[in-house]
Amino acid sequence: KAGVTQTPRYLIKTRGQQVTLSCSPISGHRSVSWYQQTPGQGLQFLFEYFSETQRNKGNFPGRFSGRQFSNSRSEMNVSTLELGDSALYLCASSLEVVAGGRSTDTQYFGPGTRLTVL
Amino acid sequence: GQQVMQIPQYQHVQEGEDFTTYCNSSTTLSNIQWYKQRPGGHPVFLIQLVKSGEVKKQKRLTFQFGEAKKNSSLHITATQTTDVGTYFCAGPKGGGNKLTFGTGTQLKVEL
Repeated sequence: KAGVTQTPRYLIKTRGQQVTLSCSPISGHRSVSWYQQTPGQGLQFLFEYFSETQRNKGNFPGRFSGRQFSNSRSEMNVSTLELGDSALYLCASSLEVVAGGRSTDTQYFGPGTRLTVL
Repeated sequence: GQQVMQIPQYQHVQEGEDFTTYCNSSTTLSNIQWYKQRPGGHPVFLIQLVKSGEVKKQKRLTFQFGEAKKNSSLHITATQTTDVGTYFCAGPKGGGNKLTFGTGTQLKVEL
């Protein structure tokens, strides 16, 4: 099976612009999660989508949004970019969400999109 | 802020030496997962521990989940240069597949 793919791999934007990142999960995986990784804050959860619905959301401002399509592909959007949004954005897919959240399925990460905001 | 702490933050070892990273959560976890991220790469799943006191081995790697399910450790015996990278623990918090990652331990192995 092909792994998780993310596009683009690298992106340079200027403050105030907006950006859309794309993630294609492993075939058959229905859950897609997004994480932001920075040297200072580490890996931080942004949101998770399952069956086109946002299941969980991290502590990020409303400028960060996402969606999932019927084929499980997901996009995240960041509007009004700030310098602090420069980071590696990672997408992870997993097979399914276990009801009640009592356990977590293995997450497979994509290579990430490195966003630089100038 | 981070609710899962790891120590040490950095570790330099000589090839052949052992290495241990410790993970501590402020709350009880239903399970703990470990990931490895090579320089310039992305996190790769290593293992998941579910039971209190569970110990699992993968070749030279030994993973342990504490009795209280609030801490975990990863021990590497006789490190090799291929072990270089950052090791993260992660626990589910908030349901579903939401993971809170530890601060990570960066391992460097010198010949």
